Amino acid sequence: DTEVTQTPKHLVMGMTNKKSLKCEQHMGHRAMYWYKQKAKKPPELMFVYSYEKLSINESVPSRFSPECPNSSLLNLHLHALQPEDSALYLCASSLGAGTSTDTQYFGPGTRLTVL
Amino acid sequence: AQSVAQPEDQVNVAEGNPLTVKCTYSVSGNPYLFWYVQYPNRGLQFLLKYITGDNLVKGSYGFEAEFNKSQTSFHLKKPSALVSDSALYFCAVRDIWSSASKIIFGSGTRLSIRP
Repeated sequence: DTEVTQTPKHLVMGMTNKKSLKCEQHMGHRAMYWYKQKAKKPPELMFVYSYEKLSINESVPSRFSPECPNSSLLNLHLHALQPEDSALYLCASSLGAGTSTDTQYFGPGTRLTVL
Repeated sequence: AQSVAQPEDQVNVAEGNPLTVKCTYSVSGNPYLFWYVQYPNRGLQFLLKYITGDNLVKGSYGFEAEFNKSQTSFHLKKPSALVSDSALYFCAVRDIWSSASKIIFGSGTRLSIRP
């Protein structure tokens, strides 16, 4: 089973709201990722967690706050977002986070609209 | 720096004909290459990867890719296209300079299969 689940599927929020995106995998993977994808563009890496510790932050604005409560869960907390933050947010996981050959498996994404 | 290029924004093929989606790479050291497919409003699905060994890699849904070191290419192929193959295809390369399993995506190629 190579399933990564994400909730919610769709989210509409105002610029003053606080919301969270959730990602879950039960494949025993120890690396988890957040990506942002604009329409017809490749995914852009935001954060990488390795063994529940943040290992990469691609200079993402502080209005995005990741959290990894345990090895199966990854959250992305959103606060004071801008309309340009509207995008598809993808979660991925891989077996490890230092092995070149590992495959990243992606969830279906959360479609975020910021009004 | 590691990079991949997808020279065609769009590829159009008639159903039943062979298809090729092109990808060229530029890497330092051994290339670790991936192909992903994205259907509308969905996450990315892993198709196949090249790590080492045979230059012809077989993947999901009847796809295969040919690794060519002299031409620095990793083209995705399928002998007989289906309408259901219409989607956005991404080539990717492992960023060996990253401590985590970071991958770098190409710009994407939209494949359209006409009945």
